[in-house]
Formats: sequence, C-alpha cells, structure tokens
Amino acid sequence: EAGVAQSPRYKIIEKRQSVAFWCNPISGHATLYWYQQILGQGPKLLIQFQNNGVVDDSQLPKDRFSAERLKGVDSTLKIQPAKLEDSAVYLCASSIQGFYNSPLHFGNGTRLTVT
Amino acid sequence: QQQVKQSPQSLIVQKGGIPIINCAYENTAFDYFPWYQQFPGKGPALLIAIRPDVSEKKEGRFTISFNKSAKQFSLHIMDSQPGDSATYFCAASHPNRGARQLTFGSGTQLTVLP
Repeated sequence: EAGVAQSPRYKIIEKRQSVAFWCNPISGHATLYWYQQILGQGPKLLIQFQNNGVVDDSQLPKDRFSAERLKGVDSTLKIQPAKLEDSAVYLCASSIQGFYNSPLHFGNGTRLTVT
Repeated sequence: QQQVKQSPQSLIVQKGGIPIINCAYENTAFDYFPWYQQFPGKGPALLIAIRPDVSEKKEGRFTISFNKSAKQFSLHIMDSQPGDSATYFCAASHPNRGARQLTFGSGTQLTVLP
C-alpha cells in the first residue's frame, strides 16, 4: 500500500510569513494526526481528526496554527504568522479507525526553517 | 501525567552488543506501549508494541520488557547491527473517543559501531 504522502519536504520562510503543509493519508484510514517534532525531541501531537471532524486540538496554538481535513481525506496545516520557535519537522500520520492497537503510519515530514 | 520519560538520551554500543532503552510513565490510563524507530529524514516507523497484560514480547531481535507495577518498560536489541543505528522512541497510548493518541518519549539516539 502507498504510504502517507506529505509535501513539501522542506520549507524556509522568514518570521511573520505564512506557510502551509499538505498531507494525504493512507487510503481508508479515517484518523489523521499532525505532530510537531522539534530537533532532538519526540513528536508532539498538534491535532487529531476522525474523518473530517476534529477529535483533539488541545495542543494546537490556535492563534497562529490552523488545520482542516475537507472531505475526510487529505489535510492541510497552516501557520500564520510563523515564529522562530516554529522551526521543526511537521509529521502527518494516519491510522485505521476503531481498531485497537491500530499502528500509526507516519509520513516523512516537512522540515520547516523560520529565519 | 501525560509524560513518558525516556533514557538514555544517547547510546553507543559495539556490533553484537545489547543496547537497552528505558521508559517510565505515570498515567495509568495508558494501555498500549509501542516503540518507534526513526532514521534521519524519515518518519517514525512502528517497531514493536506491548499491552500491559503481558510482561515481555519478542519480535526477531527486539524485545520489550514491561513492569506494570513500576510503570516502566524497556527495549532490548539483541545482537545489534550497524543498520540498527537510529533514533528510538518509546510511546504510550490510550483510547480517545474511539481513536488512539500517542505520547512520545524524548528519544534515544543509538549508534552501533562496526
């Protein structure tokens, strides 16, 4: 099966600019996650979708971050305006809904550098 | 209570050695404990996972040991190879409205010398 697709692979922007990341999960996976991975740290959950509804966005900095998953398939994460501390790898993951111990499948991420 | 504490931060072993990575958690609602392996430039990939009703699980050269009373679990890599050099993350999960969330440890960078 095809894996989780993410684009772009790299992005360099200046602080206060905006940026968007795209994710296409594995076909049939109802649950989609966005994680932020700062260099040298473990991934931290930003937002979780079930189909096109938000399950958990408690750790999403909503003053600058937004995410949507239209039609319950692919998803977009946006940062506006970006800050220096947003420099990180943004990972998208998906899993099958309703299956206990369903593993998360991660994409290769988008590396964001804010200068 | 949502934290998962992982140690050591980095580990260097000789080929054939048995690196051990340890994790501890506080939240007793966690009911699934996976380990993920991450190579540079790649996303984390599931390596092996365990549920708290089992004290040990082996898959190939990888073994998880789980101590429910101590709220600790560890990963052992038998006969380690240079190709095992990667960053390893423990994680813990609990159900959230029918879907799972993962809380990750801070990672261990493993280097296996030839």
